[in-house]
Amino acid sequence: KQEVTQIPAALSVPEGENLVLNCSFTDSAIYNLQWFRQDPGKGLTSLLLIQSSQREQTSGRLNASLDKSSGRSTLYIAASQPGDSATYLCAVRPRGYSGAGSYQLTFGKGTKLSVIP
Amino acid sequence: NAGVTQTPKFQVLKTGQSMTLQCAQDMNHNSMYWYRQDPGMGLRLIYYSASEGTTDKGEVPNGYNVSRLNKREFSLRLESAAPSQTSVYFCASSEALGANYGYTFGSGTRLTVV
Repeated sequence: KQEVTQIPAALSVPEGENLVLNCSFTDSAIYNLQWFRQDPGKGLTSLLLIQSSQREQTSGRLNASLDKSSGRSTLYIAASQPGDSATYLCAVRPRGYSGAGSYQLTFGKGTKLSVIP
Repeated sequence: NAGVTQTPKFQVLKTGQSMTLQCAQDMNHNSMYWYRQDPGMGLRLIYYSASEGTTDKGEVPNGYNVSRLNKREFSLRLESAAPSQTSVYFCASSEALGANYGYTFGSGTRLTVV
């Protein structure tokens, strides 16, 4: 069974610092991996999606990498801002029996980020 | 804005009452999902609909039923609510199984069963 782990569970950094959030998964047979942001009391907002054939994706100050062989993904946030404070979730879409993506995402429990002004 | 719309946003039920959570998407996605989010447990899949006319159980289906009303709408029904169903419920949709397609989530329904 696929398991997704995010360490640390919480992280506090001063404004302006560059930071890395980690995500690890136990089964490398994945279809894609998606990073989400969740603000308190809100839904999930998709940040980046990396297909299994890709190594990284970038959007603005965010860069996500994927190393399938080691079962790891990282989300790099450059020049952090107080508005980046949120919980960041990593979700893996396993590869199904037919080779296509499974319908069931497996989520990590998230890293709660606080950026201190 | 295009996306996934859930109603209601908040609900308090008494044990044994029934209710239906509504979800609609306007992105012409084929697949729709219901997840619940609990502290310390993360997000868990309740039911999903791979395409219009089909539904399947996810990880935690007990106590729930679903209906894929049409391509846009996917509802979740609690027939006899229990305190263990207190949770935040999220509906999501995706473009079938393409590797370059991710999931889009609604803003959630906070349900309390007393």
